[in-house]
Amino acid sequence: GAGVSQSPSNKVTEKGKDVELRCDPISGHTALYWYRQRLGQGLEFLIYFQGNSAPDKSGLPSDRFSAERTGESVSTLTIQRTQQEDSAVYLCASSLGGFGYTFGSGTRLTVV
Amino acid sequence: KQEVTQIPAALSVPEGENLVLNCSFTDSAIYNLQWFRQDPGKGLTSLLLIQSSQREQTSGRLNASLDKSSGRSTLYIAASQPGDSATYLCAPRWGGNNNDMRFGAGTRLTVKP
Repeated sequence: GAGVSQSPSNKVTEKGKDVELRCDPISGHTALYWYRQRLGQGLEFLIYFQGNSAPDKSGLPSDRFSAERTGESVSTLTIQRTQQEDSAVYLCASSLGGFGYTFGSGTRLTVV
Repeated sequence: KQEVTQIPAALSVPEGENLVLNCSFTDSAIYNLQWFRQDPGKGLTSLLLIQSSQREQTSGRLNASLDKSSGRSTLYIAASQPGDSATYLCAPRWGGNNNDMRFGAGTRLTVKP
């Protein structure tokens, strides 16, 4: 597609429920990244996929967080047993080599 | 540890002023540096990308400079407009590992009409 697409744009969930966030990267972009941004704070790196290599999961905050990517296409970020501290905007970005990043509009997750 | 600092954290100016946003980073061995704009409730929009071999990049009223040896980049906005109000993020990238990009906390700019 023309840009990075994320869905849903907003998600309200009850504490303890599981959620799935989706990211469609730009076609042909081999790298895909997930970031988290809490209200009023900077971006935190979560996970990075590069082609068929093993993902870099070093930024995932706990084992409740996981992500998958099918080849060089769609990625899903899953948060299990959501907590109120998980409330944030989750941003996805894709890139091709070192030529910069393109971000999606994000998913705003609210855990009540 | 690679860290990124942006100064000031917030800036409020009247319309028409020229202004400078500063970014500093530890470890000068960057691969490139990108400036982004973030509007409230939205994702990030890439403004300028400077490769490590470049000194500056220009796009319209925006000019970004890079002094790699001193670990600094500056975003210059000429003739500011209310539509420039947003948070501006600096993001240097280190090495060939694509996840070695770190974001500053941003400068929140308000341009008053």
